[in-house]
Amino acid sequence: AQTVTQSQPEMSVQEAETVTLSCTYDTSESDYYLFWYKQPPSRQMILVIRQEAYKQQNATENRFSVNFQKAAKSFSLKISDSQLGDAAMYFCAYRNFAQGGSEKLVFGKGTKLTVNP
Amino acid sequence: DAMVIQNPRYQVTQFGKPVTLSCSQTLNHNVMYWYQQKSSQAPKLLFHYYDKDFNNEADTPDNFQSRRPNTSFCFLDIRSPGLGDAAMYLCATSPRMRRPNNEQFFGPGTRLTVL
Repeated sequence: AQTVTQSQPEMSVQEAETVTLSCTYDTSESDYYLFWYKQPPSRQMILVIRQEAYKQQNATENRFSVNFQKAAKSFSLKISDSQLGDAAMYFCAYRNFAQGGSEKLVFGKGTKLTVNP
Repeated sequence: DAMVIQNPRYQVTQFGKPVTLSCSQTLNHNVMYWYQQKSSQAPKLLFHYYDKDFNNEADTPDNFQSRRPNTSFCFLDIRSPGLGDAAMYLCATSPRMRRPNNEQFFGPGTRLTVL
């Protein structure tokens, strides 16, 4: 079974600085997808960024980028120019490639990010 | 705005008293999911619907049931809630095509307290 590990329960960053959240995963599959979701306090979870395992190029969405190391099974999220609105719980998630198969997203336990003014 | 709506946001029930949580969506998505998220833990998938096709996770307790009367609505029924069922329950949807890179759109969750 696939597992996702986020080793940092909490992180903090100064406004305008850069922070990196770590995620590792375990799978025997070669094709899969990885996601970072953001869950602000008392608000719904939203997708931040996604990465296809077959793509070598790291995904980027504005101030958010990932460092995907397939051999190391590592998928970290970098937030540049941190803003107060980035404060949230961040979840790393994994999904198998097999189309028509399980819809399951496997989540890590999350990292609570605090942004200090 | 198109969205996923969960009602109520907070639900208190008594030990053993059946409770129903509801989810509705205006996205017209074919797939709807229910997740359980306990404090300081990862969200865990309970089951999902692809249209009317119900898919139960192997480790979802029998105490949890679901109904999807139409595309827009999905219900989570907990037949006899125990103290261990206290959690945040998240509803999510995803679009028609069963593609693994599909984004899931989440509702704000219902926090269930069992007394």
